[in-house]
Amino acid sequence: GESVGLHLPTLSVQEGDNSIINCAYSNSASDYFIWYKQESGKGPQFIIDIRSNMDKRQGQRVTVLLNKTVKHLSLQIAATQPGDSAVYFCAEAQKLVFGQGTRLTINP
Amino acid sequence: NAGVMQNPRHLVRRRGQEARLRCSPVKGHSHVYWYRQLPEEGLKFMVYLQKENIIDESGMPKERFSAEFPKEGPSILRIQQVVRGDSAAYFCASSPREKEGYTFGSGTRLTVV
Repeated sequence: GESVGLHLPTLSVQEGDNSIINCAYSNSASDYFIWYKQESGKGPQFIIDIRSNMDKRQGQRVTVLLNKTVKHLSLQIAATQPGDSAVYFCAEAQKLVFGQGTRLTINP
Repeated sequence: NAGVMQNPRHLVRRRGQEARLRCSPVKGHSHVYWYRQLPEEGLKFMVYLQKENIIDESGMPKERFSAEFPKEGPSILRIQQVVRGDSAAYFCASSPREKEGYTFGSGTRLTVV
């Protein structure tokens, strides 16, 4: 069946550094992906999305890269701040499949 | 301009009781999705509903679980005869169109004692 997974369950970065969170998917027909941020005790919050007709999309301090050849996408957060501490999920939106999540911790 | 409202935020039930979780979608959204999240895990899709119709219930356990989204009122996820393994956070999302533009609620944390 389809799966969306993440390479690392945890990621620690220094405040001010850039963070890169990776995600792999299995269904080559997947064409729409969303990154979510979930803080403790809260619901997932939309960060950015990307469709398969693009390989890069930028938002405020975030960039999503999509590599369809290897079925991989990444979320890059620039100048990571303490408020970025959360669990980050990628989701294949057409089939409503979420990855396991990467917990991002910011070191002062 | 309220988002997705879920209630209650916390629900405690004894084994064998029924749990009813409510989800009011964003105004104007006619698509509702329910997810379950165990501690330190991702969100698992349960069911996708459109007004008065179940579109996809492939993630819903075959027994004890049911969902509805009536013409009027919130969507309801109902769990009958709860067991300890049902303890989890249940999230609802809504969207204006099929499978895009999702907005999530803050979840209902169900504890079965």
